[in-house]
Amino acid sequence: EPEVTQTPSHQVTQMGQEVILRCVPISNHLYFYWYRQILGQKVEFLVSFYNNEISEKSEIFDDQFSVERPDGSNFTLKIRSTKLEDSAMYFCASRRDSLYEQYFGPGTRLTVT
Amino acid sequence: AQSVAQPEDQVNVAEGNPLTVKCTYSVSGNPYLFWYVQYPNRGLQFLLKYITGDNLVKGSYGFEAEFNKSQTSFHLKKPSALVSDSALYFCAVRDQAGTALIFGKGTTLSVSS
Repeated sequence: EPEVTQTPSHQVTQMGQEVILRCVPISNHLYFYWYRQILGQKVEFLVSFYNNEISEKSEIFDDQFSVERPDGSNFTLKIRSTKLEDSAMYFCASRRDSLYEQYFGPGTRLTVT
Repeated sequence: AQSVAQPEDQVNVAEGNPLTVKCTYSVSGNPYLFWYVQYPNRGLQFLLKYITGDNLVKGSYGFEAEFNKSQTSFHLKKPSALVSDSALYFCAVRDQAGTALIFGKGTTLSVSS
């Protein structure tokens, strides 16, 4: 069964550094998402992406964040200048056009020191 | 604003007994409701969804959920719990304005042998 994959599984970075989190969505899916889960808190929506542009974003997704689909398979989340409060598990998800459920990757744990 | 509530942080049940994990929602209009499960160090796995139709929805691993419009609830159930069902369960509703998922805070299910 196809799965969403994410790399790396764990990323440690220093405050102020840029990080790029990578995702490979399921191949025939058209909608792509990033969520985050701060330790002990809810899973929160960050951004959705369709047809090579952002279709929705939350108030969390400020100018420090950007997303890109650089080729036909990868979907990336960039944080330009990381803050301590960016430490969280980041989940990528994808969805087919005609179905409503999103399929999630295993997550990248980002630790900002 | 849409929201999801999972009133129990933890549910404990003995193996072989029925289990219920509660979820209530608040949306304007017709809700699209989902249950996901998260095992340790894994991503969120889709269990089942309610979009329309029969109020009793069957999903993966023997789970089912009952949609109750008058009580605005979507409780997850299983007739006979397994130790392997022990995990973190999330209820989610799709944002009316888009396709993002709004998650509850999660309920830890612990099944004892």
